[in-house]
Amino acid sequence: GIQVEQSPPDLILQEGANSTLRCNFSDSVNNLQWFHQNPWGQLINLFYIPSGTKQNGRLSATTVATERYSLLYISSSQTTDSGVYFCAVAGGADGLTFGKGTHLIIQP
Amino acid sequence: GAVVSQHPSRVICKSGTSVKIECRSLDFQATTMFWYRQFPKKSLMLMATSNEGSKATYEQGVEKDKFLINHASLTLSTLTVTSAHPEDSSFYICSARSSGSPEQYFGPGTRLTVT
Repeated sequence: GIQVEQSPPDLILQEGANSTLRCNFSDSVNNLQWFHQNPWGQLINLFYIPSGTKQNGRLSATTVATERYSLLYISSSQTTDSGVYFCAVAGGADGLTFGKGTHLIIQP
Repeated sequence: GAVVSQHPSRVICKSGTSVKIECRSLDFQATTMFWYRQFPKKSLMLMATSNEGSKATYEQGVEKDKFLINHASLTLSTLTVTSAHPEDSSFYICSARSSGSPEQYFGPGTRLTVT
């Protein structure tokens, strides 16, 4: 099956800083999604981005499908950005394979 | 749009009993629903895929007789944990997608504790 690696596993930043989270995957995909898991466990959809670049407010994402990686950018971090960020991929209409996540802590 | 609900959000049951978890797509027709499991501080693992009106497809290592999945309509899938044991305690999350896109939308999850 597809392998997904996320880096870094943990990241501690001061409020206002920018961050880049990376997701590498081992095979071609037709679905790549970024999620933020809140403290109650809810997965919040951030981006559906199997290729290309998207932006939503302070967040943006880029997927380079030919090189099998995706990047999530968070600018001007806020304490509410804290939590676990997951990258997940799938080929075809399959279920998602999740990376191990990046645990982000934004300190005031 | 694209809202998925789960019920119950939290359940405690005694060892040996069965528990049913419901997953509903509230504002779209979900041709495919997925069930995932998450252990504390771990990632999500796909358990099974269900297409409306068909038998579920289970991932390797998931016992189909223990985790019964039904997807009887385009808005409802259920997961029944049969003869639950303490090792079945976990966070169960469903997701749903429509026929038009691979993008999945997740429910809020159900925390199961088996005593």
